[in-house]
Amino acid sequence: EAGVAQSPRYKIIEKRQSVAFWCNPISGHATLYWYQQILGQGPKLLIQFQNNGVVDDSQLPKDRFSAERLKGVDSTLKIQPAKLEDSAVYLCASSPGTFDRYTDTQYFGPGTRLTVL
Amino acid sequence: AQSVSQHNHHVILSEAASLELGCNYSYGGTVNLFWYVQYPGQHLQLLLKYFSGDPLVKGIKGFEAEFIKSKFSFNLRKPSVQWSDTAEYFCAVNAGSGGGADGLTFGKGTHLIIQP
Repeated sequence: EAGVAQSPRYKIIEKRQSVAFWCNPISGHATLYWYQQILGQGPKLLIQFQNNGVVDDSQLPKDRFSAERLKGVDSTLKIQPAKLEDSAVYLCASSPGTFDRYTDTQYFGPGTRLTVL
Repeated sequence: AQSVSQHNHHVILSEAASLELGCNYSYGGTVNLFWYVQYPGQHLQLLLKYFSGDPLVKGIKGFEAEFIKSKFSFNLRKPSVQWSDTAEYFCAVNAGSGGGADGLTFGKGTHLIIQP
C-alpha cells in the first residue's frame, strides 16, 4: 500500500514570497490533515478536511495560509506571503475517515521542510 | 482546548535498560491518547493508542503505556530497550468521538538515544 506522498521535500524561499505544498493521501482515505512542526516542538494541526469539506481550520492563520482539497483527493497548502516564523516542517496525514474510534488512524507523510530567509 | 506535556526532552540510555517516558495531558473530559514515534529519516508512525477499557495498552515493538486518569497521565514504557529504539517519541491527545480520525494535539516530543 502506497503511503502519503508530499512534494517538494525541501523548499527555501525569501520572506514575503509565496510557496505551495502538495499532498496525495493514501488511496481511499476520506480525511486529510495538514500539520505544522516547528523545530523543537510537536506537530500542530492547521486544517482537517473530510472529503473536500473543512472540518477544522481553527488554528490556520487565514491571513496568509490557505488550503484546498478539490475533488476530495489531493490537497495543496499555500503560504502567501511567507514570514520567517513559518520556517517549519509541514506534515500531511490521512485517515480512512470512518470515525470508528477504535480503528481509524492517521498516517503521516514525510513532510516538506520549509526554510524562510 | 487540550494540551500535552512531555517531561523529558532528551533521554540517553544504554541497551537493555528500562524506559519510561512521561506524558501528562490537560483536559477535563474524555480523551483519546496516542504515542507516535519517528525513527531517523522516517515518517511519524503510531506506536499505540488508548480509547477506553483496560488502561494498560500494548503497542508495537514491545512498547506499552498506562493510562492513569486520576493523574492525567499516559506514560510510555519498555522493559528493555534496543539500539534501534533511538528515535523521537511524541505523546498526543484528542477529545472527539472520532477516535484516531480527529485532529491531534501533540507534546513537544522526547528525543531518545540508546547507546550500544
